[in-house]
Amino acid sequence: ELKVEQNPLFLSMQEGKNYTIYCNYSTTSDRLYWYRQDPGKSLESLFVLLSNGAVKQEGRLMASLDTKARLSTLHITAAVHDLSATYFCAVDIDYQLIWGAGTKLIIKP
Amino acid sequence: SQTIHQWPATLVQPVGSPLSLECTVEGTSNPNLYWYRQAAGRGLQLLFYSIGIDQISSEVPQNLSASRPQDRQFILSSKKLLLSDSGFYLCAWSRTVNTEAFFGQGTRLTVV
Repeated sequence: ELKVEQNPLFLSMQEGKNYTIYCNYSTTSDRLYWYRQDPGKSLESLFVLLSNGAVKQEGRLMASLDTKARLSTLHITAAVHDLSATYFCAVDIDYQLIWGAGTKLIIKP
Repeated sequence: SQTIHQWPATLVQPVGSPLSLECTVEGTSNPNLYWYRQAAGRGLQLLFYSIGIDQISSEVPQNLSASRPQDRQFILSSKKLLLSDSGFYLCAWSRTVNTEAFFGQGTRLTVV
């Protein structure tokens, strides 16, 4: 079965802290995407990871891909309130785009 | 640059009424087009995708249909809405199948 699992599904954290969101997938893929969704809004593309060992950084967010472990991480450094959103990973598996359930991130001032 | 337009932004429809949501893409040709549905607090469910005019693939059996009458136009329809059709509908496009997708602003549909 093709599955993409994100954890945690919900995360409440203080400003200034670091944390990591994990995205595991069930079969071989070397194409993974991270998106952000603000409440009531559409999805915004954050990162495109296209090979093993790929690392992308934008501001306080850094995403990486380990295709051997079938794992991607989204690391948040020194979180700020503006990063509060739901984050989705999506994996290209056999020409199907399989979505994680999303991680709702709340960052408290 | 490419842009995607989706409308309407919100819609309240009675059970049994028809539905038509429209999505258009500008600034690119022959895009792959997608319709997703997102239930409240949930992830995305792919409903339909299209790789070209009149080429529609359905991912799940449902009360909805999709059409692509022009290269950059994608329409989601229903003849008779059900309560369970309520949700947030998102149109998206990508350059090739399952590459980075760019989303429209979404339509929040409430069936009453």
